[in-house]
Amino acid sequence: DQQVKQNSPSLSVQEGRISILNCDYTNSMFDYFLWYKKYPAEGPTFLISISSIKDKNEDGRFTVFLNKSAKHLSLHIVPSQPGDSAVYFCAAKVAGNMLTFGGGTRLMVKP
Amino acid sequence: EAGVTQSPTHLIKTRGQQATLRCSPISGHTSVYWYQQALGLGLQFLLWYDEGEERNRGNFPPRFSGRQFPNYSSELNVNALELEDSALYLCASSFGEFEVTQYFGPGTRLLVL
Repeated sequence: DQQVKQNSPSLSVQEGRISILNCDYTNSMFDYFLWYKKYPAEGPTFLISISSIKDKNEDGRFTVFLNKSAKHLSLHIVPSQPGDSAVYFCAAKVAGNMLTFGGGTRLMVKP
Repeated sequence: EAGVTQSPTHLIKTRGQQATLRCSPISGHTSVYWYQQALGLGLQFLLWYDEGEERNRGNFPPRFSGRQFPNYSSELNVNALELEDSALYLCASSFGEFEVTQYFGPGTRLLVL
């Protein structure tokens, strides 16, 4: 039972354009959502988070949107840079501090 | 500021043996988390320790165990290793039980032959 899903395994975007990564979830008890970036042979790096009581959070080039009614969140990266090429994971937190991760989306930003 | 560190980076064991993986959290962080990323699977929550106590456990058998030391470092023990235990084991830390953000280390890659 996958409670957090990233339906796009990969995404290719031109440098300077917007990257939109999507994530769907099923558990309405999730109270926080986080996005991580992962390079090969490294651990995930925290990018941005959002509380379930908010619908938007922004940090520099990264914005996360949460649509609770649709149980959907998205990460927008504007403008995309070649260094953003990595695997992006969305994660959701429930009581007990357990993070449930999606399967990841590989983002490729072309120069 | 040093991040989460893990040792060893790679570990090779045979079936039935025991593996011990170690993690040092970011200075000042009291919570340590363990996750498993097996091939073809996503990151799966294993264990959470805070202030020396096990606070939560994922859906893993009892042969996965661990502990947290007074300096907040932690070790994960996997007994009676099985081939399916081959995975990347990631440790994360957070600034206390109410801090949402977990910061990850580079992982230990365990190979069971």
